[in-house]
Amino acid sequence: QKEVEQNSGPLSVPEGAIASLNCTYSDRGSQSFFWYRQYSGKSPELIMSIYSNGDKEDGRFTAQLNKASQYVSLLIRDSQPSDSATYLCAVNMFGTGNQFYFGTGTSLTVIP
Amino acid sequence: GAVVSQHPSWVICKSGTSVKIECRSLDFQATTMFWYRQFPKQSLMLMATSNEGSKATYEQGVEKDKFLINHASLTLSTLTVTSAHPEDSSFYICSARPDGGTFYGYTFGSGTRLTVV
Repeated sequence: QKEVEQNSGPLSVPEGAIASLNCTYSDRGSQSFFWYRQYSGKSPELIMSIYSNGDKEDGRFTAQLNKASQYVSLLIRDSQPSDSATYLCAVNMFGTGNQFYFGTGTSLTVIP
Repeated sequence: GAVVSQHPSWVICKSGTSVKIECRSLDFQATTMFWYRQFPKQSLMLMATSNEGSKATYEQGVEKDKFLINHASLTLSTLTVTSAHPEDSSFYICSARPDGGTFYGYTFGSGTRLTVV
């Protein structure tokens, strides 16, 4: 069974702190990994993608991938109240063609 | 960048009627599009995979005769909720990405909030 798991939270961090969001996946053949942000009542928006082991930085966001541990994370530096949202991890698993598998999401609240 | 347009953004309908939701890729072609449903405080649930020129693939538990999908062109997929009931009230979202390769993230439409009264 192909699974993507996230801690549902809620995760609360003070403004300016680092928020760390984690995701594990079951299929070792997974090829591409994505983080989406979803504000309440809105559709998800893509914020980061990562395909190779290691870190990928984009502004205040850093995605980390460890394929050996089947683990992908998202770090948000200098967290802002506007970062408060649900963060969804998505994995494109080998052999599934175009299909994405989503985690259940982690709710993040940044406290001013 | 890839833009997906979804229409309408919200709709209220009477129980027993049908509602059509459109999903368009505005600046790219998409052989495959996906339809999701999301209930309050829950994650996205994949309903079906829409394939241009062929029948849609439905996830287990999703009634294909109730949720009709038509992917008539490379830029348009429609989801019709037939004989809608209050329990069909939900947030419906489509997604698509440009054809070619697996290294593109999917772009989501803005979603359709369906309320059946």
